[in-house]
Amino acid sequence: DIQMTQSPSSLSASVGDRVTITCQASQDINNYLSWYQKKPGKAPKLLIYDASNLETGVPSRFSGSGSGTDFTFTISSLQPEDFATYFCQHYDNLPPLFGPGTTVDIK
Amino acid sequence: EVQLLESGGGLVQPGGSLRLSCAASGFTFSDYAVSWVRQAPGKGLEWVSTISGSGGNTYYADSVKGRFTISRDTSKNMLYLQMNSLRAEDTAVYYCAKAKYFITLTLFHYWGQGTLVTVSS
Repeated sequence: DIQMTQSPSSLSASVGDRVTITCQASQDINNYLSWYQKKPGKAPKLLIYDASNLETGVPSRFSGSGSGTDFTFTISSLQPEDFATYFCQHYDNLPPLFGPGTTVDIK
Repeated sequence: EVQLLESGGGLVQPGGSLRLSCAASGFTFSDYAVSWVRQAPGKGLEWVSTISGSGGNTYYADSVKGRFTISRDTSKNMLYLQMNSLRAEDTAVYYCAKAKYFITLTLFHYWGQGTLVTVSS
């Protein structure tokens, strides 16, 4: 199975800050990498797919980059509604594994 | 508007069974794979199972293989998860999720709100 690591596991930030999260796969996943936002009691929300494609309706402050095994997720200017947990996920093959998550909370 | 609504969760004893349902609307159900993904309390997201649009192909995580069965009824736009021999570690919120593309089975585009399964004596 392809393993996914994600860092940091948590971070504290202020509104307006630039936030960066990294995700690493144990082998090349052909850019089949997505990012989800998860808030308590809510369904996960797809933000980025194919490593860098912004899902329709998602604000442009969210972005993704990377290729091969190393990927980055960025929020360019953190907004109050962005405090949540973010997961990366590969879908290159089965099983599709999620990273352990990064919780973004208020500094 | 795509909607996915799970039901059937609850409290069950270890070794017991439960059937989850997911009612889908707002898209051509038979065109897309649908999946179950769970989140245990305080833990991350874990893929459980996927069924192809036709229903002819099913896939399972090793942790549930042989105990869980995924199925779909295209005439009713319903997805199911039959869970047998339940264990404490199956306790989680279970989400159904629709694939974004026909050929990308496990890129999860839309998600339901989830249903809680608690396995405890």
